[in-house]
Amino acid sequence: DTAVSQTPKYLVTQMGNDKSIKCEQNLGHDTMYWYKQDSKKFLKIMFSYNNKELIINETVPNRFSPKSPDKAHLNLHINSLELGDSAVYFCASSQGYSLNTIYFGEGSWLTVV
Amino acid sequence: SQELEQSPQSLIVQEGKNLTINCTSSKTLYGLYWYKQKYGEGLIFLMMLQKGGEEKSHEKITAKLDEKKQQSSLHITASQPSHAGIYLCGADTSYGKLTFGQGTILTVHP
Repeated sequence: DTAVSQTPKYLVTQMGNDKSIKCEQNLGHDTMYWYKQDSKKFLKIMFSYNNKELIINETVPNRFSPKSPDKAHLNLHINSLELGDSAVYFCASSQGYSLNTIYFGEGSWLTVV
Repeated sequence: SQELEQSPQSLIVQEGKNLTINCTSSKTLYGLYWYKQKYGEGLIFLMMLQKGGEEKSHEKITAKLDEKKQQSSLHITASQPSHAGIYLCGADTSYGKLTFGQGTILTVHP
């Protein structure tokens, strides 16, 4: 069983579309994150949720909206996709803020054309 | 905000050679994490260092934390093609937020 699973793994879409990336963890963790890795391989945090409550919201365009229906899921919805949104998006989870328990998903490769 | 700088940004070595990747922080390091990312795959946790002078090993990979220098180094002994990938260091800032270096791309030629 995959600890942190993301879908889809690959997504190619046109500019202006709205898309979602789903993330689920089966570790019983209460904190989930979204990270973005750009073309230069720089990995930056976007959001984190603890017990479905938004904790970290970095400087991210409001076209990006995370949604956490329950502790095991954190989905990322992106409106009006732009070319610059092309990146790899990683979901992660941890127990509390203990980063020694953090697990990353395999990443979702988003290409906007 | 804390920044991490990795060096070198890319490294090409012949199989069997030793190599070192450095990660330098702009602030005091309280927890330093090393991850490996294989091309097309996710992040794999390698090890975590918390105390100054701490050294950990995983197979042929050793990492050390120098608190005074605010630096960590990752050393690979007798590199193999399976070691190829992107190595990322990450620092624990607040509320579970990991700040990452820009990554070091390692290529190992057989």
